[in-house]
Amino acid sequence: TQLLEQSPQFLSIQEGENLTVYCNSSSVFSSLQWYRQEPGEGPVLLVTVVTGGEVKKLKRLTFQFGDARKDSSLHITAAQPGDTGLYLCAGDTGGFKTIFGAGTRLFVKA
Amino acid sequence: DAGVIQSPRHEVTEMGQEVTLRCKPISGHDYLFWYRQTMMRGLELLIYFNNNVPIDDSGMPEDRFSAKMPNASFSTLKIQPSEPRDSAVYFCASSWSYEQYFGPGTRLTVT
Repeated sequence: TQLLEQSPQFLSIQEGENLTVYCNSSSVFSSLQWYRQEPGEGPVLLVTVVTGGEVKKLKRLTFQFGDARKDSSLHITAAQPGDTGLYLCAGDTGGFKTIFGAGTRLFVKA
Repeated sequence: DAGVIQSPRHEVTEMGQEVTLRCKPISGHDYLFWYRQTMMRGLELLIYFNNNVPIDDSGMPEDRFSAKMPNASFSTLKIQPSEPRDSAVYFCASSWSYEQYFGPGTRLTVT
């Protein structure tokens, strides 16, 4: 069974702090996506990484795909209250059947 | 585009009743996914379609759950009879690649 493990499960930080969340698996993925979900809404796609070692930046968010395409990280610089939400990683197994991690719930205090 | 549309947004029903959830995918997307999200189990894939054909329904909990996609612009997820343990948020998502676009979800409460 392919699993995506995310850590930490919960993170509460002050505005302005930096943080990193992780997504790990023993399986190789064709691509990996990161989504953010806010209360009462569906997940919203943030980024897709495809190539091993790839790094993508989206304003204060930096996404990295592991060299072996089994893991990924999301780093947020100078977190803001608007970053609060559930961060989900999702791995594409190659057949359009996506496996989701359990998520990291982030709370940024003003 | 209006994005993925789901209805109803909230549904409260009594145990034993039939529940039908509806989804309109984004035009041009040929994949449609139904998920269930709970605090305990996270986001679970129930079933997905490609070009209106069910491809993988291995996530459907049991025979009480059924899903149809009669055309490219409409899908339903039906629970009959409903049970309290079916209470969750049900999401529909559509895609044309590995990037999925989610609807706002239907929050189902079975009492």
